[in-house]
Amino acid sequence: DAGVTQSPTHLIKTRGQQVTLRCSPKSGHDTVSWYQQALGQGPQFIFQYYEEEERQRGNFPDRFSGHQFPNYSSELNVNALLLGDSALYLCASFEQSNYGYTFGSGTRLTVV
Amino acid sequence: KQEVTQIPAALSVPEGENLVLNCSFTDSAIYNLQWFRQDPGKGLTSLLLIQSSQREQTSGRLNASLDKSSGRSTLYIAASQPGDSATYLCAVSSLSWGKFQFGAGTQVVVTP
Repeated sequence: DAGVTQSPTHLIKTRGQQVTLRCSPKSGHDTVSWYQQALGQGPQFIFQYYEEEERQRGNFPDRFSGHQFPNYSSELNVNALLLGDSALYLCASFEQSNYGYTFGSGTRLTVV
Repeated sequence: KQEVTQIPAALSVPEGENLVLNCSFTDSAIYNLQWFRQDPGKGLTSLLLIQSSQREQTSGRLNASLDKSSGRSTLYIAASQPGDSATYLCAVSSLSWGKFQFGAGTQVVVTP
């Protein structure tokens, strides 16, 4: 059973560009959350998707947007990239059985 | 607003010694607490999940306790091994499906 898969694993973008990150949740999981982890810090919640809608959002600007597809996979889009957006972006899917989360391996985004 | 603190920020122990990692949170109205392990540049691996109604969880050499009233959780790792070297993160959620609030982590080095 595949866990949470994220693509790509690494990405280098230039300031001002736009980026799309992808996530496939664990089989049977319908809720996906996205987190941003800067170097040396704990992950920060960006938003959560359930039934193709954004259910909850953290303290991130509108440049960060997302989407969830009918098969529960999700995308994170970041527009007008800033150097400060360089981070590890983690996707997590929700375990209905114990209300815990399973995380993917992340996408390392570097903005130059 | 929930604040999660992990002390110490870094820890170095000789192989075989027991590890004690602390996590404190400011709002005791949590739904659950999850401990994760993170290897450098990698995603998060779930170690233990404690529901708010539980006092502790155990898995192999790992034991995590939860004291909601005092806003504390402790992760014990018995007989540490060099392979235990990683960053350990504590996260709390105030809703069953809600966002996790993470601590900054404790970086552990186990020397042979």
